[in-house]
Amino acid sequence: ETGVTQSPTHLIKTRGQQVTLRCSSQSGHNTVSWYQQALGQGPQFIFQYYREEENGRGNFPPRFSGLQFPNYSSELNVNALELDDSALYLCASSRDRSNYGYTFGSGTRLTVV
Amino acid sequence: ELKVEQNPLFLSMQEGKNYTIYCNYSTTSDRLYWYRQDPGKSLESLFVLLSNGAVKQEGRLMASLDTKARLSTLHITAAVHDLSATYFCAVAPPWSSNYKLTFGKGTLLTVNP
Repeated sequence: ETGVTQSPTHLIKTRGQQVTLRCSSQSGHNTVSWYQQALGQGPQFIFQYYREEENGRGNFPPRFSGLQFPNYSSELNVNALELDDSALYLCASSRDRSNYGYTFGSGTRLTVV
Repeated sequence: ELKVEQNPLFLSMQEGKNYTIYCNYSTTSDRLYWYRQDPGKSLESLFVLLSNGAVKQEGRLMASLDTKARLSTLHITAAVHDLSATYFCAVAPPWSSNYKLTFGKGTLLTVNP
C-alpha cells in the first residue's frame, strides 16, 4: 500500500504571493488533515477534509483554504503569503475523520521571503 | 482550549543513562500519542495509549498514561545516540468531531557518547 505523499518538498515564495501544496492520501483513507509546524514548535491543526467537505478548522485565517478531490487527495492553498507562514506543512491521512492510524506525509517546507 | 505541556523542552543525555519526558494535558482525552521527528523530517508514530494505566514498550522506549493525573511519560532506558531526535506528545479532545491533535512543543533529545 502506498503511503502519504506531499509535493513539492521545498519551495520559496515572496510575501504577498499565493501557494498551493498537495497531498495524496494513503490507499483506503478518506480523510486528510493539514498541520503547520513552525520552526521549534509542535504541529498546529489547520483543517480537515472528509469526503470532500471541510470538517473543522483551527485558528487560521480564511486565506488558508483547501480542497479534497474524489480520490481523497487534497490541496492546501495559502493566499497573500506572510513571512510568518514560513513553516513545514504536514498532511496526515486517516479513515473516517479519525486520528487513529494517522499517516503523516514527509511535509512541504515553505519559505516566504 | 486543550493545552499540552511537555518537559523538559531540551534534554542532553549521556549514552547509557535513563531519563523521563513528561507530558501534561489540560482536559480529558481518550487517546494520547507519542511521535518522533528527526531534523527536517516528518512525524513517526511511536505509541498510542488508549486507556488509564496503559503501558507500551518498544526497544529502549516505554510510554505510560495516567488519565486521572492527565499525565503521560516517555521513559528512555540506556540511551543510545540513535535516539537523538525531537519527541512530541499529542492528544485529541473527545468532543472534537474531527479528532484534531493538539501537540506539545516537543522535547529535543540529544544523546552524547
